[in-house]
Amino acid sequence: KAGVTQTPRYLIKTRGQQVTLSCSPISGHRSVSWYQQTPGQGLQFLFEYFSETQRNKGNFPGRFSGRQFSNSRSEMNVSTLELGDSALYLCASVGGEQETQYFGPGTRLLVL
Amino acid sequence: AQSVTQLGSHVSVSEGALVLLRCNYSSSVPPYLFWYVQYPNQGLQLLLKYTSAATLVKGINGFEAEFKKSETSFHLTKPSAHMSDAAEYFCAVKAGGYQKVTFGTGTKLQVIP
Repeated sequence: KAGVTQTPRYLIKTRGQQVTLSCSPISGHRSVSWYQQTPGQGLQFLFEYFSETQRNKGNFPGRFSGRQFSNSRSEMNVSTLELGDSALYLCASVGGEQETQYFGPGTRLLVL
Repeated sequence: AQSVTQLGSHVSVSEGALVLLRCNYSSSVPPYLFWYVQYPNQGLQLLLKYTSAATLVKGINGFEAEFKKSETSFHLTKPSAHMSDAAEYFCAVKAGGYQKVTFGTGTKLQVIP
């Protein structure tokens, strides 16, 4: 089985721009979770989608949004980028027993 | 509500020594528990998970963890550390069902040759 794919792997943007990140989950998994990881805040939960519906949401401002398509692929969007948005964004494909999370390699976003 | 506490943000062990990474959890219902490992500039890799089938869980790379309900702990151990074990380790808890996963703050393991 192919693993979790995240694109792009690296991204440089400037303040005020917007960015879209993509995640393709493991085949057969219907749920995707997104996390932001920074040295200062650690792993923070952004949101989770299941069958195109947002099932859980973390405590992030409305600039952070996501969606899931009928093929389970998911995108997250960050508008009006701030310097503090620089982070590793991780996508987890959720499935199997206990709805275990399997992570992709992440997208490293640098905001200048 | 659920939470997880990892004691020690940095742990150093000598190569060949016992690895012990501590994790305590809080959950209002019987939890699912996980350990993940993260190497630099990579995503998280699942090491092992507690499924309630057995209290001693064996994972990949020689790691294991024991679920102790009375102590609300799920400590990760490995009898003999290898240089390749140097990484950051995350404990995670999920209170079942469709609850989100809560991660600990991570423990960076250094292996000294």
